[in-house]
Amino acid sequence: QKEVEQNSGPLSVPEGAIASLNCTYSDRGSQSFFWYRQYSGKSPELIMFIYSNGDKEDGRFTAQLNKASQYVSLLIRDSQPSDSATYLCAVHTGYSTLTFGKGTMLLVSP
Amino acid sequence: DVKVTQSSRYLVKRTGEKVFLECVQDMDHENMFWYRQDPGLGLRLIYFSYDVKMKEKGDIPEGYSVSREKKERFSLILESASTNQTSMYLCASSFGRSDNSPLHFGNGTRLTVT
Repeated sequence: QKEVEQNSGPLSVPEGAIASLNCTYSDRGSQSFFWYRQYSGKSPELIMFIYSNGDKEDGRFTAQLNKASQYVSLLIRDSQPSDSATYLCAVHTGYSTLTFGKGTMLLVSP
Repeated sequence: DVKVTQSSRYLVKRTGEKVFLECVQDMDHENMFWYRQDPGLGLRLIYFSYDVKMKEKGDIPEGYSVSREKKERFSLILESASTNQTSMYLCASSFGRSDNSPLHFGNGTRLTVT
């Protein structure tokens, strides 16, 4: 069974702080990794994807990948209350299919 | 922008009814997926399709079937709805036969079976 693990949270951070969201995966052969944001009652929306070891930055978001440790993270700088949502880590685990973690709830307090 | 449209936002059905959930995408994507999402269980893959008339079972196909007669449309069918199929159903699509293609989700259908 290919698994993707995330802390369920909630992760609480004050406005302006850096939020760090973590994800581990079991399939060593996985090559591509995705972060989705899901607001309550809404569908997941893609934030970032990463394929290579190291960091990838997009605005306030940075994805980090370490394939040797089977670890993916998402950093959100200058966190805003509007960032409060559940963040889903997803990993390619088969033909064009993604396996999702159960998500980490992030709460950003003003 | 990719648009994935699910026909109903909310649906209430009775136990034993046959239920159709429809999904249409407008970006000529090859791949289409049906997931269900439940509290504490996350997103689980029911079925997917990588071409017209092709279908593959996901992790939890029992009690469901699918149909893909046209490239843009992927239907999920509950042959005889049961209360344990009460859930949020999410359709998604992606481009091509690549591990690098992200999924694009529809708005979801919240199905209640009474």
